[in-house]
Amino acid sequence: NAGVTQTPKFRILKIGQSMTLQCTQDMNHNYMYWYRQDPGMGLKLIYYSVGAGITDKGEVPNGYNVSRSTTEDFPLRLELAAPSQTSVYFCASSTGQGYGANVLTFGAGSRLTVL
Amino acid sequence: GESVGLHLPTLSVQEGDNSIINCAYSNSASDYFIWYKQESGKGPQFIIDIRSNMDKRQGQRVTVLLNKTVKHLSLQIAATQPGDSAVYFCAEFSDFPAGGTSYGKLTFGQGTILTVHP
Repeated sequence: NAGVTQTPKFRILKIGQSMTLQCTQDMNHNYMYWYRQDPGMGLKLIYYSVGAGITDKGEVPNGYNVSRSTTEDFPLRLELAAPSQTSVYFCASSTGQGYGANVLTFGAGSRLTVL
Repeated sequence: GESVGLHLPTLSVQEGDNSIINCAYSNSASDYFIWYKQESGKGPQFIIDIRSNMDKRQGQRVTVLLNKTVKHLSLQIAATQPGDSAVYFCAEFSDFPAGGTSYGKLTFGQGTILTVHP
């Protein structure tokens, strides 16, 4: 049982480049999330999804896009990378139902540097 | 270079001591709280949760206390071990209606760095 898998683990981008952070989960969770964590700070929600085909903005969505074509996958796209997007990105998932519905299972993170 | 931990509160304890990590939450409507542990280079891991209709919940070596009057949460770790060294985050859960769907929003606190000395 792999849980939540993120790729790549590390990436360096030049300003203006674009890339996609991949996230997949094998727990059949309906809810998936993307957070960013800046140095010395907590996690900020970028986007979330409550099921395939449904996505919505979180606290800090500007500069990012997401899609959810399957239950398993929730990629995060950066279209025009900026230095302010240098951060560690975490994907997470949860059942969204029943007790423990809001307990998130996190991936190991993707460290992105924009130069 | 990175300034990880520059702004985070820190707690240093000796192995075997009890640790208490505090968290103030912001939303009086929050009705569910979670403590996460984040080891270096890893994603946060669930430790324990508590609902707002409870004052205390115990797990294995950990206890969470909730004081709704002052919007305060604490995590107590008994007989702290070097493996407990990590950043600890509290998270509060509240309804966040958005875009036609009702999303339960988890808001994370800043975190506390716990260092356990052998």
